[in-house]
Amino acid sequence: EIVMTQSPATLSVSPGERATLSCRASQSVSSNLAWYQQKPGQAPRLLIYGASSRATGIPVRFSGSGSGTEFTLTISSLQSEDFAVYYCQQYKDWSPLTFGGGTKVEIK
Amino acid sequence: QLQLQESGPGLVKPSETLSLTCTVSGVSISSTNFYWGWVRQPPGRGLEWIANIYSGGSAYYNPSLKSRVTISLHTSQVSLKLTSVTAADTAVYYCARLYTYCSGPCYDGFDIWGQGTMVTVSS
Repeated sequence: EIVMTQSPATLSVSPGERATLSCRASQSVSSNLAWYQQKPGQAPRLLIYGASSRATGIPVRFSGSGSGTEFTLTISSLQSEDFAVYYCQQYKDWSPLTFGGGTKVEIK
Repeated sequence: QLQLQESGPGLVKPSETLSLTCTVSGVSISSTNFYWGWVRQPPGRGLEWIANIYSGGSAYYNPSLKSRVTISLHTSQVSLKLTSVTAADTAVYYCARLYTYCSGPCYDGFDIWGQGTMVTVSS
């Protein structure tokens, strides 16, 4: 099983500032990585697929980078609606598909 | 517009079988080449993938749940059965469409989700 580890668990950021979230895979997943945003009481929302491609309708302030085992999600200038929990997920190995434990982005 | 809607019993007793249904509207499941999946989230915790099924019927399961889970397709519904439930199966259960994006290499993402259905396992 590929273990996905996200850091930090909680990130305190002021509106307008940049947020950088990390995701590490226990073995290479190439670029088979997605990022999701989840707000309280809502389903996850796909932000990024293929490690760096924005999904439909996702603002340009969200960007993904990395390949292999190290990945980053960057939110260039945090808006009030961006405070949420973010998950990475690997698609390289379907046995099983695995998510990271999540990073909560909170208002500083 | 494609929409997913989960439904389930809400409360299930330990050792019983949980049956969930995801109703897909806006597209015919059998006429599209997509995977459909189930993901769950225990209260206050992270996401756990349960299973995927292709429109042609091929199914993939989380090995940790494989002995207890069955996913199936019926016209406009994606069903999930989980046997011998315990309190550890208490969670919000989501169904989602797995979309494959191809421009050169192909990559996946769960791009459309239902709103989720809460299932509590308790006597």
